[in-house]
Parts: sequence; structure tokens; C-alpha cells
Amino acid sequence: QKEVEQNSGPLSVPEGAIASLNCTYSDRGSQSFFWYRQYSGKSPELIMFIYSNGDKEDGRFTAQLNKASQYVSLLIRDSQPSDSATYLCAVNRVNFNKFYFGSGTKLNVKP
Amino acid sequence: DTEVTQTPKHLVMGMTNKKSLKCEQHMGHRAMYWYKQKAKKPPELMFVYSYEKLSINESVPSRFSPECPNSSLLNLHLHALQPEDSALYLCASSQVTTGDSPLHFGNGTRLTVT
Repeated sequence: QKEVEQNSGPLSVPEGAIASLNCTYSDRGSQSFFWYRQYSGKSPELIMFIYSNGDKEDGRFTAQLNKASQYVSLLIRDSQPSDSATYLCAVNRVNFNKFYFGSGTKLNVKP
Repeated sequence: DTEVTQTPKHLVMGMTNKKSLKCEQHMGHRAMYWYKQKAKKPPELMFVYSYEKLSINESVPSRFSPECPNSSLLNLHLHALQPEDSALYLCASSQVTTGDSPLHFGNGTRLTVT
């Protein structure tokens, strides 16, 4: 079983819609959860991180964490064509410097 | 602009060459990482340095040799690479974690082995 699983997509949404990206993880000891955006040929860029159960909002982005279900998601409101990229979910454990990445979900936002 | 700087941006090398990738950060982070990323795959951890000491080696072949001269610099020395080593090499840094510090990536070095 992979440490972190994501649907590879592509996920296609129209401009202005909400994009919902999902991620599950296998290690209940995971403490920190991160979302990165990666444009083709570029390096990953941190979008958000979340440590506590519930929602965390930053502008158009909302991260949701449910530790009981081992599930973390990223909602992108008012999706723009510039949001088209691959979104990587990463998890980490306390006292470890080892980040596990999911395989990424490719998002296409159609004008 | 990224606060983790990698040089060079592109590198083409033959299988008999020796080259080095360089990474520098000035965020005061004491953990530094090398990742390798192939096309359409997630970043794959290679090495982690914590307080300038190698703390994780993910069974990387010895043709890759990391070095951390000080808290701001990280090198990856390359020797006798294979064409399948062609990839995007990413340097990252973070606070020495209690687990809640995100990775900050550099822009990467695109390596092609001929």
C-alpha cells in the first residue's frame, strides 16, 4: 500500500467552478499535510499546509483534514485556467524529515 | 522568486563525466534535501541532511554523492551516471522538523545524461 494516494486525473472543471482534489494516506502517525502545485517542467510550489482536523482557508484555497478517515483534500474556488497544473499531496510525521508524496492529480481548468 | 537557489538550471553530461549540482538557501533552515523527479512522477527522496549531517540515504547508488559544506549549501556530486539518471533534480530545505515545517523547493536542475 502506498503511503499517499491520489487520483491521477485529469480532473477537468470549467472556469469559475470549484475544483476538489483528494488525497488519502496510510500512516496514522502522519501529522502534517501539504499541498503543492507543479506546473509542467517547473518545481513544486507550496500552496497550503494543515495540521489540525477541520478546514483551513487561504484565499481561493481551502484545505480539509480528517485524521479519523485519513483523508485530506484541497478545494479551489473560482477556478482559473492558470490553476491548471499537477497538485501534489505530501505528508510528514513528527520528528521525521521524510515527506511522502502522492503521485499527483492533474487539474485542467477550461476557459 | 524562490529562496532556494539551484545551479545550473540545465546540465548535459556524458556517462564518463564528473559534475556537481549546487544548492543554496538563506532561510536559516537546518534540513536540506535532494529529490529526483522523472516526468509525470512525484518527487523521489534521495538524501536528507539535518544540521549538516547526512540523516537519510534512500539507498541511492554511489554514483550520486551528496555533500553539505555548511548550513546554507548542499551539493550533489555526479560521476559515471547512466542515461536513466536523466531527470529533474530538486533541492529543498525546511526547518529541522518537529514535522510541521513545509519543504521549500528550488527551481531544479534539468539533467540529461548522454
